[in-house]
Amino acid sequence: DGGITQSPKYLFRKEGQNVTLSCEQNLNHDAMYWYRQDPGQGLRLIYYSQIVNDFQKGDIAEGYSVSREKKESFPLTVTSAQKNPTAFYLCASSSSAGSTDTQYFGPGTRLTVL
Amino acid sequence: AQSVTQPDIHITVSEGASLELRCNYSYGATPYLFWYVQSPGQGLQLLLKYFSGDTLVQGIKGFEAEFKRSQSSFNLRKPSVHWSDAAEYFCAVGPEKLTFGTGTRLTIIP
Repeated sequence: DGGITQSPKYLFRKEGQNVTLSCEQNLNHDAMYWYRQDPGQGLRLIYYSQIVNDFQKGDIAEGYSVSREKKESFPLTVTSAQKNPTAFYLCASSSSAGSTDTQYFGPGTRLTVL
Repeated sequence: AQSVTQPDIHITVSEGASLELRCNYSYGATPYLFWYVQSPGQGLQLLLKYFSGDTLVQGIKGFEAEFKRSQSSFNLRKPSVHWSDAAEYFCAVGPEKLTFGTGTRLTIIP
């Protein structure tokens, strides 16, 4: 069954702690993306990767970091530098980073900072 | 720069009634346009997309959308809604990295 998995579904973190969100895909897609979703603001792009060992900042990269060591995996670390990390985080992938390629989304991780 | 506006934050429709969700975009050339649907606490699913050609696009779940260049719009329609259509709907524009609208939440009443 092909798709994108994100874990965990819910995540709680204390202020000042880094936390890593997992994203795995078995669609053999080259491109992967991380979005942040806040109520009333739609989705905003954090980071994206077009190929293994390469990634670019999106619109709101400050306080986040990523790695792309394997084609299937694109973990997102929310660092203590992120001022307001409580949000719903969505991972997506597409066959390439081309404009016409459909992005497929995972089920999301809801992060709450206590 | 590209941008997209969804003017309606929340729409309520009776089951069986028709639906139209509005989407207006800004982009200098021919845009790439998408409609996604999101059920509560879930990821997004693509309903349909427009790149070129026929301006009336058919999608999944009985949805369609029409690209109107003169009005910079890409409104989503469905002739008869079902209770299962209750969700949040997002319009997005390319061809630069996807820019999403703020979404329209659809409520269905019996």
